[in-house]
Amino acid sequence: EVQLVESGGGLVQPGGSLRLSCAASGFTFSSFWMGWVRQAPGKGLEWVANIKEDGSERYYVDSVKGRFTISRDNADRSLSLQMNSLRADDTAVYYCARVHILTTISDWNFDLWGRGTLVTVSS
Amino acid sequence: DIQMTQSPSSLSASIGDRVTITCRASQSIRSYLNWYQQKPGKAPKLLIYATSSLQSGVPSRFSGSGSMTDFTLSISSLQPEDFATYYCQQTYSVPITFGQGTRLEIK
Repeated sequence: EVQLVESGGGLVQPGGSLRLSCAASGFTFSSFWMGWVRQAPGKGLEWVANIKEDGSERYYVDSVKGRFTISRDNADRSLSLQMNSLRADDTAVYYCARVHILTTISDWNFDLWGRGTLVTVSS
Repeated sequence: DIQMTQSPSSLSASIGDRVTITCRASQSIRSYLNWYQQKPGKAPKLLIYATSSLQSGVPSRFSGSGSMTDFTLSISSLQPEDFATYYCQQTYSVPITFGQGTRLEIK
């Protein structure tokens, strides 16, 4: 079955760290860019980061630059998000998503999503 | 950053109605616009990509149009399962941005 399964969410204190993981199955993981999208409680979707197939390119939203690191292990078919210096406004459900590129680097979409993992930053 | 503004923010409609949701970009994004549907407690689902292409498995009552800065998502005849929140997304440039969402409710 083609799927993404996130894990690693939980409660963490402000200033703390957490590492999210996403296990991919049912498709050739190493052939796809991947990304993370988050959704604060009751709010809309916010793109967090994308990573190229081989990990050589990474892009982040400004609010997480320098604090979050996206990485991947193609041998293990897994995507990770290392989150440091966490703040209350990082509280959200974090979704792992597959990037489907159509023609150019701008012509893509998130065509497969995991169910998400909840991160709560609170003292 | 490119701002994506959806209208309306919420919409009440009846089964069988035709509805249209608008998404406006703060600058031209050519045709790099996607639409997602999200139901409560669930992950988003891709509906329309590249402005007007229907994702596999999505009913043909969904359609998309537009270009440059103005885009629309239309549902030709609302079904019970269509009541959800809809988001547009631009992929023209980083940071990738979503609209704030349009909540479609049953009248």
